[in-house]
Amino acid sequence: DTAVSQTPKYLVTQMGNDKSIKCEQNLGHDTMYWYKQDSKKFLKIMFSYNNKELIINETVPNRFSPKSPDKAHLNLHINSLELGDSAVYFCASSHVRGGGYTFGSGTRLTVV
Amino acid sequence: AQSVTQLGSHVSVSEGALVLLRCNYSSSVPPYLFWYVQYPNQGLQLLLKYTTGATLVKGINGFEAEFKKSETSFHLTKPSAHMSDAAEYFCAVSRGGRDDKIIFGKGTRLHILP
Repeated sequence: DTAVSQTPKYLVTQMGNDKSIKCEQNLGHDTMYWYKQDSKKFLKIMFSYNNKELIINETVPNRFSPKSPDKAHLNLHINSLELGDSAVYFCASSHVRGGGYTFGSGTRLTVV
Repeated sequence: AQSVTQLGSHVSVSEGALVLLRCNYSSSVPPYLFWYVQYPNQGLQLLLKYTTGATLVKGINGFEAEFKKSETSFHLTKPSAHMSDAAEYFCAVSRGGRDDKIIFGKGTRLHILP
């Protein structure tokens, strides 16, 4: 009965590959997010979706493409992976503006 | 634009001592303020939040924070540290609205000394 679940938890892949990370929430929230946490623990928002509509698209390379098939799911596809993409990617969801987010446990992506 | 500054990337306190983690924010509109905790290899857990109303906010695990508008601060405290409090703590701010996004500080690693 995990609230926000991400798969996979760990992902090791070679440069140039394409990979996807999946996220699902069972909280009934209408907004979902992707955050990137770098090696220095700094968290930065990448995207947000509200009811399947893209709301926030920060300055992220277009190799990153989010997709939201419904309001309970938000996936992240990354093309042509680079070494600098290595990080922990967190999915989150929220319902009430300003109410805080519920985070998933993260996906540690390592590009070799 | 909103921003958060956490003073001290590392803070060490003895077990049983007062915990004080400092956070200052910048916001052009009334802010929503948060503290999150991250244990090793885990996601972020909401400790407490301030939206409106009472400026002293109580959270989980005995933590509390006080919103001081005049000082643009939202410091996190706990009267008595426990070994299990060792973790990374993030202060964060948002402003609400449809394009709401939480902006995080750079985090403070709390070390508990036996």
